[in-house]
Amino acid sequence: NAGVTQTPKFQVLKTGQSMTLQCAQDMNHNSMYWYRQDPGMGLRLIYYSASEGTTDKGEVPNGYNVSRLNKREFSLRLESAAPSQTSVYFCASARPTSGGAIGSYEQYFGPGTRLTVT
Amino acid sequence: GQQLNQSPQSMFIQEGEDVSMNCTSSSIFNTWLWYKQDPGEGPVLLIALYKAGELTSNGRLTAQFGITRKDSFLNISASIPSDVGIYFCAGQTAGGTSYGKLTFGQGTILTVHP
Repeated sequence: NAGVTQTPKFQVLKTGQSMTLQCAQDMNHNSMYWYRQDPGMGLRLIYYSASEGTTDKGEVPNGYNVSRLNKREFSLRLESAAPSQTSVYFCASARPTSGGAIGSYEQYFGPGTRLTVT
Repeated sequence: GQQLNQSPQSMFIQEGEDVSMNCTSSSIFNTWLWYKQDPGEGPVLLIALYKAGELTSNGRLTAQFGITRKDSFLNISASIPSDVGIYFCAGQTAGGTSYGKLTFGQGTILTVHP
């Protein structure tokens, strides 16, 4: 089991360029998420997908789009990169837990993509 | 939106010392999760808590779900150099439309001196 994988690991973009961050999970989880991590701010949710075919906005969706290609894959797209999008991006997937209330999930994270926009 | 305050922001301790950190929320959570992040890696789940008052251990780590449902605590006993990293708390509101979304604390940076 590879768990959650992300590509690329590092990327440098110029302002205005576009790119897609890829994420895949092999744990058969329905729910997937994209976060960004900035110093001193923890992780903030960009978009999530409760199941294949559905996506919804998180806390900081502006400047991003997502695609849930199938159950395994969830991609994040920057259409026109800005320096404010310099960050570390994490993808996660989740499964419902057996020990909690209905709707409790445990999230598992990928290794991250370090993006710099100049 | 929901706010999570995690403290302390950083800790510098000697190997062998015990460590405590906590998170408080302005809202009630149904699940608390604690993660550790090593440099250059993604967060790894350490402990999950599901019931108010619950105390759960994972080796030298012990975490508690506060009675008010608005706080959680993590203790690390007899720290070792490999405990170095950033520790995050995360709260989750269970329910049909939450879909496992998490609210994260800002993180506690732990440094252990040999």
